[in-house]
Amino acid sequence: DVKVTQSSRYLVKRTGEKVFLECVQDMDHENMFWYRQDPGLGLRLIYFSYDVKMKEKGDIPEGYSVSREKKERFSLILESASTNQTSMYLCASSFTNLEGTGYEQYFGPGTRLTVT
Amino acid sequence: GQNIDQPTEMTATEGAIVQINCTYQTSGFNGLFWYQQHAGEAPTFLSYNVLDGLEEKGRFSSFLSRSKGYSYLLLKELQMKDSASYLCAVWSGGYQKVTFGTGTKLQVIP
Repeated sequence: DVKVTQSSRYLVKRTGEKVFLECVQDMDHENMFWYRQDPGLGLRLIYFSYDVKMKEKGDIPEGYSVSREKKERFSLILESASTNQTSMYLCASSFTNLEGTGYEQYFGPGTRLTVT
Repeated sequence: GQNIDQPTEMTATEGAIVQINCTYQTSGFNGLFWYQQHAGEAPTFLSYNVLDGLEEKGRFSSFLSRSKGYSYLLLKELQMKDSASYLCAVWSGGYQKVTFGTGTKLQVIP
């Protein structure tokens, strides 16, 4: 069964702290994604990666960085957490076939981060 | 830029049929996804359309018109467990980057 796991379901951090969110997938997917989901704004892409050590900015990368040292693991880093980064963070992964046609994304359970 | 519009909320009766619309304006188009998301849970994949027309999958069907920038998700024989948010997402660039709409919250009532 396909599985995407995230390191924490709930996290509370203080303003200015460095925060690491970890995501692991066991499907050998090439692509991995980090989103945040806020009421009324939907899912917004922060960063994605299409291969090990490769990363691309999404729509809202400011204040975040990512790391992908191994194919199965994609980390989201909040360099200096701020209260406006309080949100639900969702990781996802997807497969790419040789034709490059679209494949669905599999999501992890999410991490609800509160920055106080 | 990318713009995807869906109604914010809908209510329908158990056993009925409901159609959730999605319109999009994107630079390029590769395909359109529908996801279901129950409250407090992660989104799960429902359907993918790349060509015009209707794709049927059990009680759920999805339609696409690329010339009109329009899609809908049709849910038949509604059940209480269908109460969820339905997210429309468009793949319109390189790699597998998609843009999500804000979602339609469907409430099924007895």
